[in-house]
Amino acid sequence: QSALTQPPSASGSPGQSVTISCTGTSSDVGAYNYVSWYQQHPGKAPKVMIYEVTKRPSGVPDRFSGSKSGNMAYLTVSGLQAEDEADYYCSSHAGAHVVFGGGTKLTVL
Amino acid sequence: QLQLQESGPGLVRPSETLSLTCTVSGGSISSSSYFWSWIRQPPGKGLEWIGSIYSSGSTFYNPSLKSRVTISIDTSKNQFSLKLSSVTAADTAVYYCTSEVNSSSHFWGQGALVTVSS
Repeated sequence: QSALTQPPSASGSPGQSVTISCTGTSSDVGAYNYVSWYQQHPGKAPKVMIYEVTKRPSGVPDRFSGSKSGNMAYLTVSGLQAEDEADYYCSSHAGAHVVFGGGTKLTVL
Repeated sequence: QLQLQESGPGLVRPSETLSLTCTVSGGSISSSSYFWSWIRQPPGKGLEWIGSIYSSGSTFYNPSLKSRVTISIDTSKNQFSLKLSSVTAADTAVYYCTSEVNSSSHFWGQGALVTVSS
């Protein structure tokens, strides 16, 4: 069982927006602004899409955005494109270690 | 741009010790900017953070693996390493080395599949 809880699946049509949730506790997500989101395509290494809750690394489209409220973090993908279909993982600083969510498979219909 | 590459045996016997090395290029492992981390992913499953090390040698481990994990750093070779003892089939996974800033892994190796089997 993962430390952070994500829905196993999410979906949307091209051009639509989809939001993936990540539920933690007051010891991880709720305590620190160090939440990250990773995208992973099959057979590939994960790629960071959002770090420190809302920041986007250089090269990540601004269609990807992050937010946090209390013990929950969110990844929103706007203007869905076919290439956004992938697994998405959240992670959070949790004191002296890092915890991950179980992952959400995003399907572009 | 940092590049990381994992190396080590792809097959480990049960009860033995898994050993992997990560070679860093494109930057110094002594940099104060990064922690150096190991993350694993069992086949078909999610990501699990194993632990990290700073250039000073300070280490941080996943509480669930702490009793079996050792991460070390060799600044002269620009490498850091993972040892996981007393492995079982449950330790079969793709092992990634990463560079971490504020608990976010920005650069990843390609991953190394390690199978635990007799």
